[in-house]
Amino acid sequence: DTGVSQDPRHKITKRGQNVTFRCDPISEHNRLYWYRQTLGQGPEFLTYFQNEAQLEKSRLLSDRFSAERPKGSFSTLEIQRTEQGDSAMYLCASRKTGQVGQFFGPGTRLTVL
Amino acid sequence: DAKTTQPNSMESNEEEPVHLPCNHSTISGTDYIHWYRQLPSQGPEYVIHGLTSNVNNRMASLAIAEDRKSSTLILHRATLRDAAVYYCILSNSGYALNFGKGTSLLVTP
Repeated sequence: DTGVSQDPRHKITKRGQNVTFRCDPISEHNRLYWYRQTLGQGPEFLTYFQNEAQLEKSRLLSDRFSAERPKGSFSTLEIQRTEQGDSAMYLCASRKTGQVGQFFGPGTRLTVL
Repeated sequence: DAKTTQPNSMESNEEEPVHLPCNHSTISGTDYIHWYRQLPSQGPEYVIHGLTSNVNNRMASLAIAEDRKSSTLILHRATLRDAAVYYCILSNSGYALNFGKGTSLLVTP
């Protein structure tokens, strides 16, 4: 049983560059979530997919952020024109309908220089 | 979602029980109480959840006050591996979890 995986685990980029992160949920988990966590804070919800449909987006998800889940399996989160304030851990979680707990991946740590 | 209040930090001795409190005085009738924990350098991990009745699982127990305005996560025998940040979360939406800052639990040998 493989858990939620995220790639890359670490990303260092320069301000203004675009970055893309990938999340592979647990097989058969139809619900997928993205969160962002800054140092000393709890994770903050960004967006939620049920299958391929993006059903909810936080106001934290500015126009520079876009998330997709084209075939209802893996998901990508892209940040365009990165800013230093985007430096954070980006967490992905999944679960299946009827299950309560969300299963989290190890996260992608983004550092914007 | 309603707000929760937790102590910033708690300390426990190894092999002793730990009671982690959470206040949620504005809880609504449809809010479930969830607990997650986050070990250092890892993503959060689901621990337990409940609505009205006390709950037990292999990881912990959840005691819910009769008026549901507070709850307590009980670790029956703390180990060094239980050192983590513990989050108490109310949710009825099925999607977003609002984590807050949680309680940082230190376990000493």
